[in-house]
Amino acid sequence: QVQLVESGGGLVKPGGSLRLSCEASGFIFGDYYMSWIRQAPGKGLECVSDISGSRNVIEYADSVKGRFTISRDNAKNSLFLEMNSLRAEDTAVYYCARGRPHSSGIRDLWGQGTLVTVSS
Amino acid sequence: DIQMTQSPSSLSASIGDRVTITCRASQKITNYLNWYQQKLGKAPELLIYGSTTLQSGVPSRFSGSGSGTDFTLTISSLQPEDFATYYCQQSYGIPNTFGQGTRLEIK
Repeated sequence: QVQLVESGGGLVKPGGSLRLSCEASGFIFGDYYMSWIRQAPGKGLECVSDISGSRNVIEYADSVKGRFTISRDNAKNSLFLEMNSLRAEDTAVYYCARGRPHSSGIRDLWGQGTLVTVSS
Repeated sequence: DIQMTQSPSSLSASIGDRVTITCRASQKITNYLNWYQQKLGKAPELLIYGSTTLQSGVPSRFSGSGSGTDFTLTISSLQPEDFATYYCQQSYGIPNTFGQGTRLEIK
């Protein structure tokens, strides 16, 4: 079954850290760009970070640059997001999403999301 | 960053209505425009990519048009399962950016 399953969300205090994971199945994970996209409660969608299949292209939103690190393990079909120095404004549902080959900006598969709440 | 502006922000319509949602980019993006549908409490799903191409499995009542800076999503005859929030997204520039969403509600 072609799917993405996120995990690792939870409640964390401001300044804290959290590591999100996304496990892929049903497709050749290493062939695809992957993204983390977040949605604050009641708000729209924001691209947080992207990584190419070979890991040679990595992008971050300005809002998370220097605090978040994206990585992937193609042998384990897994995508990660290491989040440090968390702020209240990072509170959101975090989705992992797959980018189509040769058109990485088209996200054709999304996980169900994992909620990150940053609060004291 | 490229700004994406959708209109309207919300819309009430009835079953069987024809509905159009517009999306405007702050600069030309050729046809690098994608549409997503998000139902309450669920992840977004890809509807249309490249401005006009229907994603596999999406009903033909959905269609997209436009190029440059102005784009539209049209639903030809609303069905109960179409009531959701719709987002446009540009994949021309980095970072990719989304519109603020259009919430489609039952009249």
